[in-house]
Amino acid sequence: QSALTQPASVSGSPGQSITISCTGTSSDVGGYHYVSWYQQHPGKAPKLLIYEVSNRPSGVSNRFSGSKSGNTASLTISGLLAEDEADYYCSSYTSSITLVFGGGTKLTVL
Amino acid sequence: QVHLVESGGGVVQPGRSLRLSCAASGFTFSSYAMYWVRQAPGKGLEWVTFISNDRSTKYYADSVKGRFTISGDNSKNTLYLQMNSLRVEDTAVYYCGRDSASGSGWPIDYWGQGTLVTVSS
Repeated sequence: QSALTQPASVSGSPGQSITISCTGTSSDVGGYHYVSWYQQHPGKAPKLLIYEVSNRPSGVSNRFSGSKSGNTASLTISGLLAEDEADYYCSSYTSSITLVFGGGTKLTVL
Repeated sequence: QVHLVESGGGVVQPGRSLRLSCAASGFTFSSYAMYWVRQAPGKGLEWVTFISNDRSTKYYADSVKGRFTISGDNSKNTLYLQMNSLRVEDTAVYYCGRDSASGSGWPIDYWGQGTLVTVSS
């Protein structure tokens, strides 16, 4: 199972919005409504931001939103804050009954 | 509150074995599926294995199938990962995680702090 494809890095200024893409296949992202997004700060464990493409767990800021079109899912962060600087990972359930992660995207807040 | 604490990591030679543990607290362990996810130094996340809440159903990544075994003791609120025939490429921080009962598709809503496994001669 190949990793989902994410851009290696994105950047934005405080207050701006950015979008991170996550591209898979019809066997994972495109075939299910089961995409999750995680935030990971250096040296810390990942934190769940989005599940089932667009649902936010309790306590996650509504500045984080998710969507999907075909084989590509997206995470949008609006009103960028300095604390949003972190690595972001998407994941998807697959037809092989496995979980696959994206390669990760490093977000830099300028 | 939910707490997951991994232990058992360390330095091990290629071909040897190691068992990781994950002590769970703050929730009804037997009601949740659980996972192991690893992260090689400076690399991304890699799913390793899944176990159902009743500990009867298990799935593995191809990279560890036949070498790693996940198990759970609901009476001890503890998750395990038995790792045999270890390879250099198994070197990583290993995280245990809890399945989010809020959604399907295996979202992981709580993670431990991780335990480092280094496979080196």
